[in-house]
Amino acid sequence: ETGVTQSPTHLIKTRGQQVTLRCSSQSGHNTVSWYQQALGQGPQFIFQYYREEENGRGNFPPRFSGLQFPNYSSELNVNALELDDSALYLCASSLYAGGTYEQYFGPGTRLTVT
Amino acid sequence: RKEVEQDPGPFNVPEGATVAFNCTYSNSASQSFFWYRQDCRKEPKLLMSVYSSGNEDGRFTAQLNRASQYISLLIRDSKLSDSATYLCVVNGGSQGNLIFGKGTKLSVKP
Repeated sequence: ETGVTQSPTHLIKTRGQQVTLRCSSQSGHNTVSWYQQALGQGPQFIFQYYREEENGRGNFPPRFSGLQFPNYSSELNVNALELDDSALYLCASSLYAGGTYEQYFGPGTRLTVT
Repeated sequence: RKEVEQDPGPFNVPEGATVAFNCTYSNSASQSFFWYRQDCRKEPKLLMSVYSSGNEDGRFTAQLNRASQYISLLIRDSKLSDSATYLCVVNGGSQGNLIFGKGTKLSVKP
């Protein structure tokens, strides 16, 4: 196991609602990245947090936002949920920022928007 | 051109077979390369990093050709437990992101 944990494991929300997903990084890792994985696709990068600052962002609208806390855990918030937001949300922790370093994934949160 | 492209699969092979996965990437500035495996409805798990000189881990061998922007993964003596989707992954530059291919599904049959 990677030591990366996520909660909740499953979530059902209605279109227009807001959701918060949580991630605890592996011990000793200071960087957390979030990805969205739609069915049949590879994960897509949402953003990365390093030392409580956003370190990079993918092609996702501003209603996707995040936080990182001093203990390096992180939250992903999605406002005004749309049906297309239904996906597996993965967080990954790494020892350092940047994409050079290996990233280790948590088990994910499966979000269904109805 | 997609940033990371993989064989669409699926690959259906008998136990003991050798199978090769191919992957191309578009960003010549990419510096880090990985193979992840993902079981159905689970998270991706790092299988191996890919180094310029090529590297081997037991039955698995990864190769990188920077000139052709091509990465490969060879699995020898396939086991039933190798059945999974294999994701080719490239770092996306300074933003810290990883760029994933769509994955190639492997089914190893008895």
